[in-house]
Amino acid sequence: QKEVEQDPGPLSVPEGAIVSLNCTYSNSAFQYFMWYRQYSRKGPELLMYTYSSGNKEDGRFTAQVDKSSKYISLFIRDSQPSDSATYLCAMEDSNYQLIWGAGTKLIIKP
Amino acid sequence: DTGVSQDPRHKITKRGQNVTFRCDPISEHNRLYWYRQTLGQGPEFLTYFQNEAQLEKSRLLSDRFSAERPKGSFSTLEIQRTEQGDSAMYLCASSPREGLSYEQYFGPGTRLTVT
Repeated sequence: QKEVEQDPGPLSVPEGAIVSLNCTYSNSAFQYFMWYRQYSRKGPELLMYTYSSGNKEDGRFTAQVDKSSKYISLFIRDSQPSDSATYLCAMEDSNYQLIWGAGTKLIIKP
Repeated sequence: DTGVSQDPRHKITKRGQNVTFRCDPISEHNRLYWYRQTLGQGPEFLTYFQNEAQLEKSRLLSDRFSAERPKGSFSTLEIQRTEQGDSAMYLCASSPREGLSYEQYFGPGTRLTVT
């Protein structure tokens, strides 16, 4: 079993919909939780990070962490075709290294 | 600030050949990471440097892989005697600070195809 599980998708939604992306993890020691966006043939770029449990909002993006359930989510409101990309969750381990999910491919249909 | 750059962007090589990739981090970033990413997977950690010192190397990294960061600036990743299983995207990232692994800035990657 992988330490971080993420549904690979693809997830296809119409423009303007609310998107929910999720990851589960097994290591209760994880404290930092990150979401990266990766466009085709590009490197990942950091969208948001959250420390411990709780919510964090940045524009149309909201990250949630539920440590009791070992579950994190990224919500995208008013989704745009430009949001079409692969979204990767990542978590920091005790050695300050990132443990990554496999990524969910998101398609926003105009 | 031009971001992290990697060269070449694409490399096709025959099995058994050696290849070398270069990464130029954001200037003054003292941490540099190498990852490997295959289709449909997240990046897999290979190694990282704090300035010129290689501080950690993944146990998954075979002896055919070696990385250097002379003078703490650019870094090279060499793969000797390439195998078809080495075909992947090789990503480099740099970070300005210790202990903040989330603050990693990625380059566009080098896509390696071993035939």
